[in-house]
Amino acid sequence: EAGVTQSPTHLIKTRGQQATLRCSPISGHTSVYWYQQALGLGLQFLLWYDEGEERNRGNFPPRFSGRQFPNYSSELNVNALELEDSALYLCASSLGDRDKPQHFGDGTRLSIL
Amino acid sequence: QQPVQSPQAVILREGEDAVINCSSSKALYSVHWYRQKHGEAPVFLMILLKGGEQKGHEKISASFNEKKQQSSLYLTASQLSYSGTYFCGTVLFYGQNFVFGPGTRLSVLP
Repeated sequence: EAGVTQSPTHLIKTRGQQATLRCSPISGHTSVYWYQQALGLGLQFLLWYDEGEERNRGNFPPRFSGRQFPNYSSELNVNALELEDSALYLCASSLGDRDKPQHFGDGTRLSIL
Repeated sequence: QQPVQSPQAVILREGEDAVINCSSSKALYSVHWYRQKHGEAPVFLMILLKGGEQKGHEKISASFNEKKQQSSLYLTASQLSYSGTYFCGTVLFYGQNFVFGPGTRLSVLP
């Protein structure tokens, strides 16, 4: 069974640009979660999608947005990039119920110059 | 509402035991435990639902005290491979959001 895949592995942008990160969940999983992990810090919840709908979002500005496609893959878009957006962005998928385990991808390392 | 984890960091010798606590000020529906090794993605360990059940995973087990809104992760006879940061994640009884705690860094030395 293929795990959660994220692309690209690394992404280098400059301030003010826009970034798109992609996530393919484990087959059969309908929920996708996005987290931001700054260097050496914890996992900050960004967004939760399930069955194509945004179920919840964390305490991030509106320039962080995303969507989930009919095949349950997901995109995270970050507009007007700022230096503090530099972080590892992790995607996780689960079977949808909130009491199901989340399986993480290896992340996208976003660096803002 | 981010859960509180304690301790923030712990250093052990191989074979020693450790306990990591996770607590919330609000009623919890479930508690998840994950371990993240340096440079790797978090890996799921176990989920505990309300009811005070205890679960185990090799020599790692956990309990959930719903009266205290607290979960404890027990690491018995620690191995070098147990090193990493342990995160608890909580789902509130009356909320949908899943929130990770700040993490507990565990270092096991030979």
